[in-house]
Amino acid sequence: QVQLQESGPGLVKPSQTLSLTCTVSGGSISGRDYYWSWIRQPPGKGLEWIGHVYYSGGTYYNPSLKSRVIISVDTSKNQFSLKLSSVTAADTAVYYCARAEVVVITMNHWGQGTLVTVSS
Amino acid sequence: EIVMTQSPATLSVSPGERATLSCRASQSVSSNLAWYQQKSGQAPRLLIYSASTRATGIPARFSGSGSGTEFTLTISSLQSEDFAVYYCQQYNNWPPLTFGGGTKVEIK
Repeated sequence: QVQLQESGPGLVKPSQTLSLTCTVSGGSISGRDYYWSWIRQPPGKGLEWIGHVYYSGGTYYNPSLKSRVIISVDTSKNQFSLKLSSVTAADTAVYYCARAEVVVITMNHWGQGTLVTVSS
Repeated sequence: EIVMTQSPATLSVSPGERATLSCRASQSVSSNLAWYQQKSGQAPRLLIYSASTRATGIPARFSGSGSGTEFTLTISSLQSEDFAVYYCQQYNNWPPLTFGGGTKVEIK
């Protein structure tokens, strides 16, 4: 059973870059059937898709965040990462990593989520 | 961007009763629609994909229907563990993938 675990700082200062890593266990990140995804959820609010990365490094981003987001993959470590630059308080959220099927683009395995607060 | 609208925002239901949740897309998404359940403090869990196909391990009391712009998630007989927030998500026209705002199912 594949498992995902987010890691990274829980507090980021405004204007700085938020960096998170998702470690995948119980399965290879190099599988051709999956995208590796980041989704976020501000406190008390709904879900927002940030983007996907494919094992080959190909990426898809939410246009609303595209200018500030980089998602990358490290197949040697079975990890993928999120960088979100120039953060503001509006970027405070629980950040989830997830695995999405390529054919039916739904997230069927999720990490537990990590709260990132943007504050000075 | 396709906007997903869920109704009602909150649904009060007694255990054992049926719950019917709605999701509307701003333009057709064919059958490329999923439903998720999120309990407090937990990550979402995939319930339904392709509008009506239950994900692995999902009980038969959960069913999905619809196509185009109108979709329904039905929980036939609510159990205590079903009280949660439910989200729909379209994957017909992306990026971006988009979610509805959620329906909270609470105990009446």
